[in-house]
Amino acid sequence: DVKVTQSSRYLVKRTGEKVFLECVQDMDHENMFWYRQDPGLGLRLIYFSYDVKMKEKGDIPEGYSVSREKKERFSLILESASTNQTSMYLCASTQGAVAYGYTFGSGTRLTVV
Amino acid sequence: DAKTTQPPSMDCAEGRAANLPCNHSTISGNEYVYWYRQIHSQGPQYIIHGLKNNETNEMASLIITEDRKSSTLILPHATLRDTAVYYCIVRPSGAGSYQLTFGKGTKLSVIP
Repeated sequence: DVKVTQSSRYLVKRTGEKVFLECVQDMDHENMFWYRQDPGLGLRLIYFSYDVKMKEKGDIPEGYSVSREKKERFSLILESASTNQTSMYLCASTQGAVAYGYTFGSGTRLTVV
Repeated sequence: DAKTTQPPSMDCAEGRAANLPCNHSTISGNEYVYWYRQIHSQGPQYIIHGLKNNETNEMASLIITEDRKSSTLILPHATLRDTAVYYCIVRPSGAGSYQLTFGKGTKLSVIP
């Protein structure tokens, strides 16, 4: 089975800290995505990457950056965490333009205090 | 991008068919309809997709109207494990076609 692994299930960070959320997939997928999910708002796309060192902004990139140095790893970076970034963060990957091939990780619930 | 409209919540008795509607009246001819679901505390999971014809797999059936402006996801014999939020998504064509936009979905509660 394709696996998308997110490094932490729960994280608590302080306001102003730099936060790294890591995501690794093991199926050589080209495309990787970071979403955040908040009650009543559904899933919103933060950033995605269609190749190593390539990145594209999603719908809500402000306050975030990403890094994709290797094909299997896609990192989401909160440069200076704020309380409004408390959320569930979901990573996904897919091969090519295959929408049914999306595989999601289990999510990281981040709390910024 | 074509938008979708789903009811916010639905109930279904265990063992009965669950019929989840989705309106996508602005869908264009080469856009597919996808269904995903998200069980509590897990990431979304792909269920089924279609273009024009009805589709069936081991999880569900997808009925798309002839004018393609709406569709229905059918879970033939709902179980308690089918309690989840169900997302109807229209995949954009062209640049960015690998990107999925999730709405708020329908929260399906399967009741014993």
